[in-house]
Amino acid sequence: SQQGEEDPQALSIQEGENATMNCSYKTSINNLQWYRQNSGRGLVHLILIRSNEREKHSGRLRVTLDTSKKSSSLLITASRAADTASYFCATDARETSGSRLTFGEGTQLTVNP
Amino acid sequence: NAGVTQTPKFRVLKTGQSMTLLCAQDMNHEYMYWYRQDPGMGLRLIHYSVGEGTTAKGEVPDGYNVSRLKKQNFLLGLESAAPSQTSVYFCASRRAGDRYEQYFGPGTRLTVT
Repeated sequence: SQQGEEDPQALSIQEGENATMNCSYKTSINNLQWYRQNSGRGLVHLILIRSNEREKHSGRLRVTLDTSKKSSSLLITASRAADTASYFCATDARETSGSRLTFGEGTQLTVNP
Repeated sequence: NAGVTQTPKFRVLKTGQSMTLLCAQDMNHEYMYWYRQDPGMGLRLIHYSVGEGTTAKGEVPDGYNVSRLKKQNFLLGLESAAPSQTSVYFCASRRAGDRYEQYFGPGTRLTVT
């Protein structure tokens, strides 16, 4: 089964608007992480939320986790053109004892100036 | 700190040739990973290592071999390259434990003709 499926696949918004991306997964997790990838670059970690947490903030980022629905959302507030990138969720499944992550296919966010 | 570095950045191989991709990290991380990323897709785990001298298979290990002779280095080998191995390869590392993020290298773009 595929873990970490993001929705939508692509999102285009205007600068200043909020962007919301969703992630669904299938198995029990230790934590869920969000990463960002600029075109042609490696991934950069944004935020980690543990299975016993429901919400976490970091600057303009807000992540929620609903383990009963096996879903997470990433909200970027007051978006900027520099936020244009692909965003991936990744799950750290209990069955792999925290040794590895499974990545979704990502959401391509475009923020228009 | 250089973080995670990958060598080479680009490579073109002919079908049947072999090559080794080198990943190095200077953060004293226990865990290291090799992923591949194909257009419009997330990352798929090839092999990983939870310590010096240990390796394990990920989702897509066929056609690849790895070695972790030193803690700071993780090598990915292609013994007989195939066009299906055309991809961007990312290395990552992290601390042991279930609450840490992965740090990624800049990627190696490999084309097999």
